[in-house]
Amino acid sequence: NAGVTQTPKFQVLKTGQSMTLQCAQDMNHNSMYWYRQDPGMGLRLIYYSASEGTTDKGEVPNGYNVSRLNKREFSLRLESAAPSQTSVYFCASSEGRGGFNEQFFGPGTRLTVL
Amino acid sequence: AQSVAQPEDQVNVAEGNPLTVKCTYSVSGNPYLFWYVQYPNRGLQFLLKYITGDNLVKGSYGFEAEFNKSQTSFHLKKPSALVSDSALYFCAVRTTGGFKTIFGAGTRLFVKA
Repeated sequence: NAGVTQTPKFQVLKTGQSMTLQCAQDMNHNSMYWYRQDPGMGLRLIYYSASEGTTDKGEVPNGYNVSRLNKREFSLRLESAAPSQTSVYFCASSEGRGGFNEQFFGPGTRLTVL
Repeated sequence: AQSVAQPEDQVNVAEGNPLTVKCTYSVSGNPYLFWYVQYPNRGLQFLLKYITGDNLVKGSYGFEAEFNKSQTSFHLKKPSALVSDSALYFCAVRTTGGFKTIFGAGTRLFVKA
């Protein structure tokens, strides 16, 4: 039982490049989330998915797109990376659809945009 | 606006002493409150949650939290701190009217031997 896995662990991009961050969970959870963590700002929600086939914007969705490929996988895409997107990105999942349950987090992806 | 505040950036305690990490919240309706811990270069780990019932909630690793509705607070506590408790702690609240969880900015706990 691997929990929540994320790839890659580290990435360096140049401004304007694109990339996709991958996330998968093996706990049969309905809800999945993408957050970014910046110093002194806690975690901010980028997008979430309450179930397969649905996605919704969080606090800071601009510059990102997501795909809930199936129940297990939830990817985050940066179409044209900007230095302001330098951050640590976490994927998480939880049971149910209402946000009432604790979230399980992946190990994170540290992204630097030059 | 719905929000979570952790008023202390850092808390320093000596090993063996009790510790408190503070959290206050602002949501409409009944709150669903969580505490998470983050060790260096790791994702967040769930410690405990309050949904309803007893105001004192017990969680992992000997931590507990006290819910106070009148003060809109949910402080994290431990009777006797360990050096290994040194980490970044986040308070979080589920927003009403949606599926989202808001996280506080985090409090760094240093436990000195």
